[in-house]
Amino acid sequence: EAGVAQSPRYKIIEKRQSVAFWCNPISGHATLYWYQQILGQGPKLLIQFQNNGVVDDSQLPKDRFSAERLKGVDSTLKIQPAKLEDSAVYLCASRLAGGSSYNEQFFGPGTRLTVL
Amino acid sequence: GQQVMQIPQYQHVQEGEDFTTYCNSSTTLSNIQWYKQRPGGHPVFLIQLVKSGEVKKQKRLTFQFGEAKKNSSLHITATQTTDVGTYFCAGPSNAGGTSYGKLTFGQGTILTVHP
Repeated sequence: EAGVAQSPRYKIIEKRQSVAFWCNPISGHATLYWYQQILGQGPKLLIQFQNNGVVDDSQLPKDRFSAERLKGVDSTLKIQPAKLEDSAVYLCASRLAGGSSYNEQFFGPGTRLTVL
Repeated sequence: GQQVMQIPQYQHVQEGEDFTTYCNSSTTLSNIQWYKQRPGGHPVFLIQLVKSGEVKKQKRLTFQFGEAKKNSSLHITATQTTDVGTYFCAGPSNAGGTSYGKLTFGQGTILTVHP
């Protein structure tokens, strides 16, 4: 079974530039998450999709961050414009959904963003 | 909002020593999950605990869920260099209704093992 795919793996940009990250979840996984992980901290949820609908985006800085999940499969996360404090690893995760037996989240390798 | 706290933040051990990390939630949890993140890697699911007082073992790893379902621990017996990484606990957040598996992660415990 293929895992969660993400690209690019690394990105370096200047502040005020734009950047986009792509995620392809495990086939058949209905729930998709985008996390921000700052060095030395645990992953922080930015946005959560159930199929192609947003379930939770309460911690997404909507003035600069946007995300979409067209057709309920792939997802993109965009930052425009980037700030220095956006430097972090952006992790995508997916979950099969269903009852408590299926709570495991599968993480992709992440995109390490450096904003200069 | 819900907070999940872990201690210690760092733990350095000699190979063969035991290691324990503790997780505390500000709210009662329906379940708790543990993840391991190797240096430079991504979080990988280890286990989920659901029942009050539950204890589960995976080889040298022992996971425990507190009676009040607000705390948990992970104990590693006789650490090996392959145990190096950050261990996170995570609890579901039900704020606002159906969570669809939304998790709040602790800040993690970084384990280093000296050979």
